[in-house]
Amino acid sequence: SALTQPPSASGSPGQSVTISCTGAGSDVGAYNYVSWYQQHPGKAPKLMIYEVSKRPSGVPDRFSGSKSGNTASLTVSGLQAEDEADYHCSSYAGSNNLLFGGGTKLTVL
Amino acid sequence: QLQLQGSGPGLVQPSETLSLTCSVSSGSISSSSYYWGWIRQPPRKGLEWIGNIHYSGSTYYNPSLKSRVTISVDTSKNQFSLKLSSVTAADTAIYYCARFVRTCSGGSCYSHYLDYWGQGTLVTVSS
Repeated sequence: SALTQPPSASGSPGQSVTISCTGAGSDVGAYNYVSWYQQHPGKAPKLMIYEVSKRPSGVPDRFSGSKSGNTASLTVSGLQAEDEADYHCSSYAGSNNLLFGGGTKLTVL
Repeated sequence: QLQLQGSGPGLVQPSETLSLTCSVSSGSISSSSYYWGWIRQPPRKGLEWIGNIHYSGSTYYNPSLKSRVTISVDTSKNQFSLKLSSVTAADTAIYYCARFVRTCSGGSCYSHYLDYWGQGTLVTVSS
């Protein structure tokens, strides 16, 4: 089954917002292999976080990830206008299977 | 900078086979550190992993699509391809090709994230 994300989230510039990603004990809860992708309209997704909390080179440290039990979270601090996008979580589910969430639309008010 | 460029028909008839190719440039597909594969996104929906392949030929497919999917690699052309058979309107989506980072641990190798994506190809299934 797909991972569960809230359809939408919002915050004002400068604020922090957290997006959740809920899975099961066989995927999010079993592995520290959660990743997050940012997708602007009409564009391909971009890797923002991998292995729960690691940032690829070039991703601002305003983006951070964490996990507790079967739920992973992405926090965006110091919101900026360019952070407005869809965010997708993903988790390894064993046996070379990869699951995605339904995506969360982040609006910067 | 690695680049992935997907190509293929934008319109496929129901019950036919969808075929897409992804060309990789500024990097070799024959690296043991990566898999190469496909993700799709139906209109206004989330992402779905389709499957991936190692240059050695090992393939891994989403169980829900496995009976209809074939992914192949052509190392001489630095390309890999997707075939999805017996398509229906539910297969209408943007299809992304991507590079998957390969991790090996405890005698097993697998991928748990994607670090490069192609631009996406919209495929519509309709008569």
